[in-house]
Amino acid sequence: TQLLEQSPQFLSIQEGENLTVYCNSSSVFSSLQWYRQEPGEGPVLLVTVVTGGEVKKLKRLTFQFGDARKDSSLHITAAQPGDTGLYLCAGEGRAGNNRKLIWGLGTSLAVNP
Amino acid sequence: ETGVTQTPRHLVMGMTNKKSLKCEQHLGHNAMYWYKQSAKKPLELMFVYSLEERVENNSVPSRFSPECPNSSHLFLHLHTLQPEDSALYLCASSQDWDSKFEQYFGPGTRLTVT
Repeated sequence: TQLLEQSPQFLSIQEGENLTVYCNSSSVFSSLQWYRQEPGEGPVLLVTVVTGGEVKKLKRLTFQFGDARKDSSLHITAAQPGDTGLYLCAGEGRAGNNRKLIWGLGTSLAVNP
Repeated sequence: ETGVTQTPRHLVMGMTNKKSLKCEQHLGHNAMYWYKQSAKKPLELMFVYSLEERVENNSVPSRFSPECPNSSHLFLHLHTLQPEDSALYLCASSQDWDSKFEQYFGPGTRLTVT
């Protein structure tokens, strides 16, 4: 069974601080997606990483895919209150002949002004 | 027009009621999905439709019945639900089922079963 563990589960920081959240598995994934979900809304895709060791930047957010394609991290520089939300990672795997997204439980981030 | 819309946003129903959730996508995608999001659980994929045909049904109880009349619309018909079915029900779409897999979600329907 493929599992994705996200850590920490909860994080509360002050505006301007830096942070890193993690998404780990013992399984290899074809690709990995990161989403942010705000209260009362559905998840919104932030980025997809495909190649082992790949680094992608989205303004103050930096995403990295592990060399072995089993783990990923998200680093936020100078966090702002607008970054508050639930950060979900989802790895693309296989269940038989079907493609399947394996979801983590998420990291709930609160950025306080 | 927002990419993926869902109605209603909130629904309270008794265990003997019948109701339907509606999803519409304006992205020209070929695949649509129903997910259930409950506290302390990962997103649970319920149903997948690709080009209006159901391609996956993940052991979902028969009290949930999906319908996909065309590639833009998806329904979830509910009947004789249980209190443990209370959750956020999310609809999503993706370009395709077998290539472009990124999910575009609607805002969800918050369902409470009393």
